[in-house]
Amino acid sequence: DTEVTQTPKHLVMGMTNKKSLKCEQHMGHRAMYWYKQKAKKPPELMFVYSYEKLSINESVPSRFSPECPNSSLLNLHLHALQPEDSALYLCASRQTGGSPLHFGNGTRLTVT
Amino acid sequence: GQQLNQSPQSMFIQEGEDVSMNCTSSSIFNTWLWYKQDPGEGPVLLIALYKAGELTSNGRLTAQFGITRKDSFLNISASIPSDVGIYFCAGQLLGGATNKLIFGTGTLLAVQP
Repeated sequence: DTEVTQTPKHLVMGMTNKKSLKCEQHMGHRAMYWYKQKAKKPPELMFVYSYEKLSINESVPSRFSPECPNSSLLNLHLHALQPEDSALYLCASRQTGGSPLHFGNGTRLTVT
Repeated sequence: GQQLNQSPQSMFIQEGEDVSMNCTSSSIFNTWLWYKQDPGEGPVLLIALYKAGELTSNGRLTAQFGITRKDSFLNISASIPSDVGIYFCAGQLLGGATNKLIFGTGTLLAVQP
Protein backbone atom coordinates (compact mmCIF):
# COMPACT_ATOMS: atom_id res chain seq x y z
CA ASP A 1 0.00 0.00 0.00
CA THR A 2 1.19 3.48 -0.89
CA GLU A 3 1.58 6.09 1.83
CA VAL A 4 0.51 8.81 -0.59
CA THR A 5 -3.27 8.72 -0.96
CA GLN A 6 -5.03 10.13 -4.00
CA THR A 7 -8.74 10.64 -4.54
CA PRO A 8 -10.74 9.98 -6.56
CA LYS A 9 -9.27 6.90 -8.21
CA HIS A 10 -11.23 7.58 -11.39
CA LEU A 11 -12.83 10.77 -12.69
CA VAL A 12 -14.86 11.47 -15.81
CA MET A 13 -15.62 15.11 -16.54
CA GLY A 14 -16.97 17.22 -19.34
CA MET A 15 -15.06 20.08 -20.84
CA THR A 16 -17.16 22.67 -19.00
CA ASN A 17 -16.92 21.03 -15.58
CA LYS A 18 -14.88 22.09 -12.58
CA LYS A 19 -13.38 19.31 -10.49
CA SER A 20 -10.53 18.80 -8.05
CA LEU A 21 -8.00 16.05 -7.46
CA LYS A 22 -6.78 15.49 -3.94
CA CYS A 23 -3.56 14.11 -2.51
CA GLU A 24 -2.61 13.45 1.11
CA GLN A 25 0.51 12.20 2.84
CA HIS A 26 1.34 11.88 6.53
CA MET A 27 5.02 11.06 6.26
CA GLY A 28 6.10 14.58 7.17
CA HIS A 29 7.39 15.19 3.67
CA ARG A 30 7.82 18.88 2.83
CA ALA A 31 7.95 18.64 -0.96
CA MET A 32 4.91 17.55 -2.99
CA TYR A 33 4.57 17.05 -6.70
CA TRP A 34 1.98 16.68 -9.45
CA TYR A 35 2.82 14.56 -12.49
CA LYS A 36 0.80 13.76 -15.62
CA GLN A 37 1.28 10.37 -17.27
CA LYS A 38 0.02 9.17 -20.62
CA ALA A 39 -0.25 5.45 -21.36
CA LYS A 40 3.13 3.66 -21.55
CA LYS A 41 5.01 6.95 -21.19
CA PRO A 42 7.05 8.22 -18.27
CA PRO A 43 5.50 10.67 -15.81
CA GLU A 44 5.84 14.33 -16.79
CA LEU A 45 6.37 16.91 -14.09
CA MET A 46 3.68 19.57 -13.74
CA PHE A 47 4.12 21.33 -10.39
CA VAL A 48 6.32 21.18 -7.31
CA TYR A 49 5.53 22.60 -3.87
CA SER A 50 8.28 23.00 -1.32
CA TYR A 51 7.30 23.98 2.22
CA GLU A 52 3.81 24.76 0.92
CA LYS A 53 5.07 27.24 -1.63
CA LEU A 54 4.93 26.68 -5.38
CA SER A 55 8.53 26.30 -6.52
CA ILE A 56 8.18 24.79 -10.00
CA ASN A 57 5.49 25.23 -12.67
CA GLU A 58 6.50 23.40 -15.83
CA SER A 59 4.62 25.82 -18.10
CA VAL A 60 1.34 24.07 -17.34
CA PRO A 61 -1.82 25.63 -18.86
CA SER A 62 -3.86 27.73 -16.47
CA ARG A 63 -6.80 25.32 -16.70
CA PHE A 64 -4.77 23.33 -14.14
CA SER A 65 -4.50 25.16 -10.82
CA PRO A 66 -2.54 23.62 -7.93
CA GLU A 67 -3.08 24.38 -4.27
CA CYS A 68 -1.22 23.30 -1.13
CA PRO A 69 -3.45 24.09 1.89
CA ASN A 70 -0.97 22.59 4.36
CA SER A 71 2.08 20.37 4.48
CA SER A 72 0.02 17.16 4.20
CA LEU A 73 -2.39 18.10 1.43
CA LEU A 74 -2.07 18.91 -2.24
CA ASN A 75 -4.94 19.69 -4.59
CA LEU A 76 -5.18 20.10 -8.33
CA HIS A 77 -8.16 22.14 -9.49
CA LEU A 78 -9.38 21.45 -13.00
CA HIS A 79 -11.48 23.74 -15.18
CA ALA A 80 -12.33 23.78 -18.88
CA LEU A 81 -10.15 20.80 -19.69
CA GLN A 82 -9.66 19.35 -23.15
CA PRO A 83 -9.96 15.67 -24.19
CA GLU A 84 -6.17 15.55 -24.64
CA ASP A 85 -5.84 16.23 -20.90
CA SER A 86 -7.12 12.71 -20.26
CA ALA A 87 -4.31 10.90 -18.43
CA LEU A 88 -3.20 9.40 -15.13
CA TYR A 89 -2.43 12.21 -12.67
CA LEU A 90 0.12 11.21 -10.07
CA CYS A 91 0.92 12.89 -6.80
CA ALA A 92 4.28 12.32 -5.13
CA SER A 93 6.10 13.51 -2.06
CA ARG A 94 9.56 13.44 -0.52
CA GLN A 95 11.63 14.81 2.29
CA THR A 96 13.65 17.77 1.07
CA GLY A 97 17.19 17.09 -0.05
CA GLY A 98 18.13 14.05 -2.08
CA SER A 99 15.56 11.54 -0.81
CA PRO A 100 13.52 9.57 -3.36
CA LEU A 101 10.00 10.42 -4.49
CA HIS A 102 7.11 8.33 -3.20
CA PHE A 103 4.12 8.16 -5.54
CA GLY A 104 0.41 7.71 -4.98
CA ASN A 105 -1.64 5.38 -7.19
CA GLY A 106 -2.96 8.26 -9.25
CA THR A 107 -6.30 9.53 -10.50
CA ARG A 108 -7.34 8.22 -13.91
CA LEU A 109 -8.94 11.28 -15.56
CA THR A 110 -11.11 11.10 -18.65
CA VAL A 111 -12.29 14.33 -20.27
CA THR A 112 -15.30 13.93 -22.56
CA GLY B 1 10.28 17.59 -21.16
CA GLN B 2 13.71 16.04 -20.80
CA GLN B 3 13.89 12.24 -20.74
CA LEU B 4 16.66 9.74 -20.26
CA ASN B 5 17.53 7.09 -22.84
CA GLN B 6 16.42 3.73 -21.47
CA SER B 7 16.88 0.40 -23.20
CA PRO B 8 15.56 -1.95 -24.18
CA GLN B 9 12.13 -0.49 -24.86
CA SER B 10 10.51 -3.87 -24.19
CA MET B 11 11.51 -7.41 -23.28
CA PHE B 12 9.62 -10.69 -23.62
CA ILE B 13 11.28 -13.45 -21.61
CA GLN B 14 10.64 -16.86 -20.11
CA GLU B 15 10.18 -17.32 -16.38
CA GLY B 16 13.52 -17.98 -14.72
CA GLU B 17 15.59 -15.91 -17.13
CA ASP B 18 17.73 -12.99 -15.99
CA VAL B 19 16.93 -9.47 -17.20
CA SER B 20 19.12 -6.43 -17.71
CA MET B 21 18.12 -2.88 -18.59
CA ASN B 22 20.00 0.40 -18.56
CA CYS B 23 19.71 4.15 -18.68
CA THR B 24 22.09 6.70 -20.13
CA SER B 25 22.18 10.46 -20.02
CA SER B 26 24.23 13.31 -21.37
CA SER B 27 23.93 14.98 -17.96
CA ILE B 28 25.47 14.09 -14.62
CA PHE B 29 23.09 13.10 -11.85
CA ASN B 30 23.53 13.03 -8.08
CA THR B 31 21.09 10.17 -7.57
CA TRP B 32 19.71 7.35 -9.70
CA LEU B 33 16.41 5.71 -8.87
CA TRP B 34 14.64 2.68 -10.30
CA TYR B 35 10.85 2.38 -10.19
CA LYS B 36 8.38 -0.31 -11.25
CA GLN B 37 4.85 0.54 -12.34
CA ASP B 38 1.99 -1.96 -12.56
CA PRO B 39 -1.11 -1.17 -14.63
CA GLY B 40 -3.45 1.28 -12.89
CA GLU B 41 -0.98 2.05 -10.13
CA GLY B 42 1.70 4.60 -9.39
CA PRO B 43 5.43 3.92 -9.71
CA VAL B 44 6.93 2.04 -6.77
CA LEU B 45 10.52 2.66 -5.73
CA LEU B 46 12.74 -0.41 -6.15
CA ILE B 47 16.27 0.85 -5.57
CA ALA B 48 17.91 4.21 -4.85
CA LEU B 49 21.58 4.88 -5.67
CA TYR B 50 23.42 7.86 -4.19
CA LYS B 51 27.09 7.42 -5.01
CA ALA B 52 29.02 6.91 -8.24
CA GLY B 53 30.06 3.27 -8.53
CA GLU B 54 27.55 2.14 -5.91
CA LEU B 55 26.13 -1.36 -6.40
CA THR B 56 22.94 -2.08 -4.45
CA SER B 57 20.72 -5.14 -4.22
CA ASN B 58 17.09 -5.58 -3.22
CA GLY B 59 16.24 -9.27 -3.28
CA ARG B 60 16.56 -10.48 -6.87
CA LEU B 61 17.19 -6.92 -8.09
CA THR B 62 20.64 -5.35 -8.44
CA ALA B 63 21.35 -1.84 -9.65
CA GLN B 64 24.52 0.17 -10.17
CA PHE B 65 25.29 3.88 -10.34
CA GLY B 66 27.75 4.37 -13.20
CA ILE B 67 31.21 5.74 -12.47
CA THR B 68 30.69 8.63 -14.89
CA ARG B 69 27.40 9.47 -13.09
CA LYS B 70 25.71 9.47 -16.48
CA ASP B 71 24.31 5.95 -16.49
CA SER B 72 22.79 3.19 -14.42
CA PHE B 73 21.68 -0.40 -14.94
CA LEU B 74 19.15 -2.70 -13.31
CA ASN B 75 19.39 -6.49 -13.30
CA ILE B 76 16.63 -8.88 -12.29
CA SER B 77 17.68 -12.46 -11.66
CA ALA B 78 15.47 -15.53 -12.03
CA SER B 79 12.43 -13.61 -13.26
CA ILE B 80 8.94 -14.58 -12.11
CA PRO B 81 5.51 -13.70 -13.56
CA SER B 82 4.92 -10.90 -11.02
CA ASP B 83 7.96 -9.06 -12.39
CA VAL B 84 5.74 -8.02 -15.29
CA GLY B 85 5.35 -4.26 -15.53
CA ILE B 86 7.04 -1.10 -16.77
CA TYR B 87 10.40 -0.23 -15.24
CA PHE B 88 11.54 3.39 -15.17
CA CYS B 89 14.92 4.76 -14.29
CA ALA B 90 15.08 8.30 -12.94
CA GLY B 91 17.95 10.67 -12.47
CA GLN B 92 17.80 13.31 -9.82
CA LEU B 93 19.31 16.75 -10.14
CA LEU B 94 20.03 18.62 -6.96
CA GLY B 95 19.42 22.33 -7.11
CA GLY B 96 18.12 24.93 -4.72
CA ALA B 97 15.19 24.07 -2.51
CA THR B 98 13.63 21.62 -4.90
CA ASN B 99 15.05 18.67 -6.78
CA LYS B 100 13.87 17.61 -10.22
CA LEU B 101 13.49 13.99 -11.22
CA ILE B 102 14.08 13.15 -14.88
CA PHE B 103 12.54 9.84 -15.98
CA GLY B 104 13.75 7.34 -18.52
CA THR B 105 11.51 6.26 -21.38
CA GLY B 106 10.65 2.99 -19.66
CA THR B 107 11.19 -0.73 -20.27
CA LEU B 108 8.12 -2.93 -20.63
CA LEU B 109 8.81 -6.39 -19.22
CA ALA B 110 6.66 -9.39 -20.08
CA VAL B 111 7.39 -12.76 -18.43
CA GLN B 112 5.94 -15.94 -19.84
CA PRO B 113 5.36 -18.70 -17.29
